[in-house]
Amino acid sequence: EIVLTQSPGTLSLSPGERATLSCRASQSINSNYLAWYQQTPGQAPRLLIYGASSRATGIPDRFSGSGSGTDFTLTISRLEPEDFAVYYCQPYAASPFGGGTKVEIK
Amino acid sequence: QITLKESGPTLVKPTQTLTLTCTFSGFSLTTSGVGVGWIRQPPGKALEWLALIYWDDDKRYSPSLKSRLTLTKDTSKNQVVLTMTNMDPVDTATYYCAHNSYSTTWDRFDYWGQGTLVTVSS
Repeated sequence: EIVLTQSPGTLSLSPGERATLSCRASQSINSNYLAWYQQTPGQAPRLLIYGASSRATGIPDRFSGSGSGTDFTLTISRLEPEDFAVYYCQPYAASPFGGGTKVEIK
Repeated sequence: QITLKESGPTLVKPTQTLTLTCTFSGFSLTTSGVGVGWIRQPPGKALEWLALIYWDDDKRYSPSLKSRLTLTKDTSKNQVVLTMTNMDPVDTATYYCAHNSYSTTWDRFDYWGQGTLVTVSS
């Protein structure tokens, strides 16, 4: 079973700053299927990125995804107040999620 | 417009069987490339994928929970039912169902239900 390790566990940043989140897989995965989800407190997760780099419908272009093989990155170019949330990666739908990265206000 | 909603008991006793229903609209579970998955989240913890049923009735289960989970679908009612046996307090969580779209170029949960909190306690 694939294990996903997300780092850092918590990222403390200010609005306007750039956020770089990492997702590392225990084995090489098909980048077509790597997805990122955002979850704000009390809400259901929301699909952000699929296929490692494609933004889901309605997702602003300050969110970008990259990577291949075992190493993937989610970048938020300039943090907006609504971006402070927890982010999860998942290699494909029928698989475990990573442990999440919390992006908090510094 | 795709929507999903989870329903079931909010409180179950240890050793009991949990039955959750996902009722959806805006898509058909007979359409190629479509599935419905279940994901849970204990309070304050990370997401945990549980199970996924596809349009062709293929089913996938989390290896760690496989012996306790069963998925069924009723396409006429637009429902997917998840049963989990031998419930324990550690199974206390918010349970989500989600629409899965699958192709050779993507595999994603693109619509989610609001979730339902299930507490396991005597």
